[in-house]
Amino acid sequence: NAGVTQTPKFRILKIGQSMTLQCTQDMNHNYMYWYRQDPGMGLKLIYYSVGAGITDKGEVPNGYNVSRSTTEDFPLRLELAAPSQTSVYFCASSYSVSGRSWEQFFGPGTRLTVL
Amino acid sequence: AQSVTQLGSHVSVSEGALVLLRCNYSSSVPPYLFWYVQYPNQGLQLLLKYTSAATLVKGINGFEAEFKKSETSFHLTKPSAHMSDAAEYFCAMTDSGGYQKVTFGTGTKLQVIP
Repeated sequence: NAGVTQTPKFRILKIGQSMTLQCTQDMNHNYMYWYRQDPGMGLKLIYYSVGAGITDKGEVPNGYNVSRSTTEDFPLRLELAAPSQTSVYFCASSYSVSGRSWEQFFGPGTRLTVL
Repeated sequence: AQSVTQLGSHVSVSEGALVLLRCNYSSSVPPYLFWYVQYPNQGLQLLLKYTSAATLVKGINGFEAEFKKSETSFHLTKPSAHMSDAAEYFCAMTDSGGYQKVTFGTGTKLQVIP
């Protein structure tokens, strides 16, 4: 049981490049999330999904896209990378009880630098 | 709108001293509340959670938190700090609008002084 895995762990992008951050969970959780963490700012929700085929915007979705074709995978796509997207990205998953998100399980993070 | 406020972005305690990390919330519905810990270069992991059962919640590593509705607080405590407790701690709550989203506080970095 690997939990939540993320790849890559580190990445440096040039301005304008694109990339996909991968996230996979093996706990059969229906809810999945993408956050970014900037120093002193806590976690900001980018996108979330409540099940395969269903995604919705979080607090800071601009410049990102997601898809959820399977329960296990929730990739985050960065189009036209900008320096403002330099951050640490965390994927998380959770189960729900009566429609309410329970505790979240986090991946180890991807540290992205855009130069 | 719901919110989570953590008082003090940095807290320093001596080894063996009481740890108290403060969290206040604002919610229009009964909240579910969580404390997470983040060690350097790692993801967050759950310390404990409150989901409307007992108001005093015990978690891992000797931490506990008490839900106080009258004070809208969920402070995290540990009687005696260890060096290994040095980390960043996040308070979080579920979203009142749809229950799928979780709102995080901005975090408190705990330093333990030998």
